[in-house]
Amino acid sequence: NAGVIQTPRHKVTGKGQEATLWCEPISGHSAVFWYRQTIVQGLEFLTYFRNQAPIDDSGMPKERFSAQMPNQSHSTLKIQSTQPQDSAVYLCASSLGGRSYEQYFGPGTRLTVL
Amino acid sequence: GDSVTQTEGPVTLSEGTSLTVNCSYETKQYPTLFWYVQYPGEGPQLLFKVPKANEKGSNRGFEATYNKEATSFHLQKASVQESDSAVYYCALGEGNYQLIWGSGTKLIIKP
Repeated sequence: NAGVIQTPRHKVTGKGQEATLWCEPISGHSAVFWYRQTIVQGLEFLTYFRNQAPIDDSGMPKERFSAQMPNQSHSTLKIQSTQPQDSAVYLCASSLGGRSYEQYFGPGTRLTVL
Repeated sequence: GDSVTQTEGPVTLSEGTSLTVNCSYETKQYPTLFWYVQYPGEGPQLLFKVPKANEKGSNRGFEATYNKEATSFHLQKASVQESDSAVYYCALGEGNYQLIWGSGTKLIIKP
C-alpha cells in the first residue's frame, strides 16, 4: 500500500510565478490536510478536506493561496504570484476520516522561490 | 481553545543515555494524544497514540504516558541511539478531527 504521494519533490520558481503542488492521499482515506513547514514557523496548518469538501481553511493566506480536491484521489495546492517568503516545505497528510485523528504524511514538496 | 506546549529544543544527548520530552495540553474534551517523529527529508510519521491515563504506550523502544491531573504527557526512551536523531512532535486531537501540533523538539544524539 503506497503512502501519501506528493509531486514534485522539489520545485523552484521565480518571484511572481505560479506553483501547483500535488497530493495523492492513501487509498480509502477520506480526509486530506495541507501544512507548511519552515525552520522559523515550524509546522503550520493550512487547510483540510473531508470527503473532498473543504472543512477548514483557517490557515490559508487569504491572497494567492488556494486548494482544491476535485476527486478522492488527489488534491492540489496552488500559489499564485509566488514570493520568496513562500519558500517552505509543503506537506500533505491523509487520514481515514470518520472518528480517526491519525494523519499519515507524504514526503513533502520543497518550494524555493528565487 | 485547545493548545499544546512542548519541550524546547534542541536536545543533545550522548548515545546510551535516556530521553524525556515533555508536552502539556489544554482542552475541555477528553484528550486524544499522539507522538510523531520526523527524520530529515521526510514527513512526520506516527510514532504512536498515547493510551488512556496511567497506561503506557510504546513503539520502537519509546514509551509514553500521560498524567490527566497535570494535563501533561511525556515521551521517554531509556537508551537512545544515533538513529533516533530526529524532530519529535506531540499532537492533540481536537473536535473537528484535526491535530494541534507542538512546536517540535529536535533531538541530536552524539555517538
